[in-house]
Amino acid sequence: DAMVIQNPRYQVTQFGKPVTLSCSQTLNHNVMYWYQQKSSQAPKLLFHYYDKDFNNEADTPDNFQSRRPNTSFCFLDIRSPGLGDAAMYLCATSRERVLAGYEQYFGPGTRLTVT
Amino acid sequence: AQSVTQLGSHVSVSEGALVLLRCNYSSSVPPYLFWYVQYPNQGLQLLLKYTSAATLVKGINGFEAEFKKSETSFHLTKPSAHMSDAAEYFCAVIHAGNMLTFGGGTRLMVKP
Repeated sequence: DAMVIQNPRYQVTQFGKPVTLSCSQTLNHNVMYWYQQKSSQAPKLLFHYYDKDFNNEADTPDNFQSRRPNTSFCFLDIRSPGLGDAAMYLCATSRERVLAGYEQYFGPGTRLTVT
Repeated sequence: AQSVTQLGSHVSVSEGALVLLRCNYSSSVPPYLFWYVQYPNQGLQLLLKYTSAATLVKGINGFEAEFKKSETSFHLTKPSAHMSDAAEYFCAVIHAGNMLTFGGGTRLMVKP
């Protein structure tokens, strides 16, 4: 089945230790998104790629970076995680930009714990 | 900027009862609207979407939603709740930046 895969599902890192979360998709979608979701809150968009074009949300901290080496893979790098970065990180894809009515498909998420 | 408001952060119903989850949007143009469901420690799954075709939209798992322009609402309903419906539900609208804006979410609890 075509899907969005996130690894690992659970990640524990130490305060200040860089961490990378990965996302892959078999849907061949053009757009990939990264969201941060804190407990009992709605997902908050961090950034997205339209093909190779990177689009950062204005309020995304510089501590968060992303890479998309090819259509299938996208990575979220947190350079120096703080305790406030503990959250669920969701990857999503859409065939085209959402304004055209294309829905987003979400992966299962990676829950990040910072100790 | 477009936004959505979900009335009621927690809704509790009995198994077999009607489910009604409320969503109101603010938009100056006809919007695209979505309902997503999130089970514990899972990603979001699309229930249904409105894209200016039929105002009554049927989704998966027996859910449906009706777009009412006069009320700027897109409430989610299901005639008979199942225990498996217990989850977090998010209403979302597309905003001018081509991105989704989510409502605050409603946690649905189903009592036996």
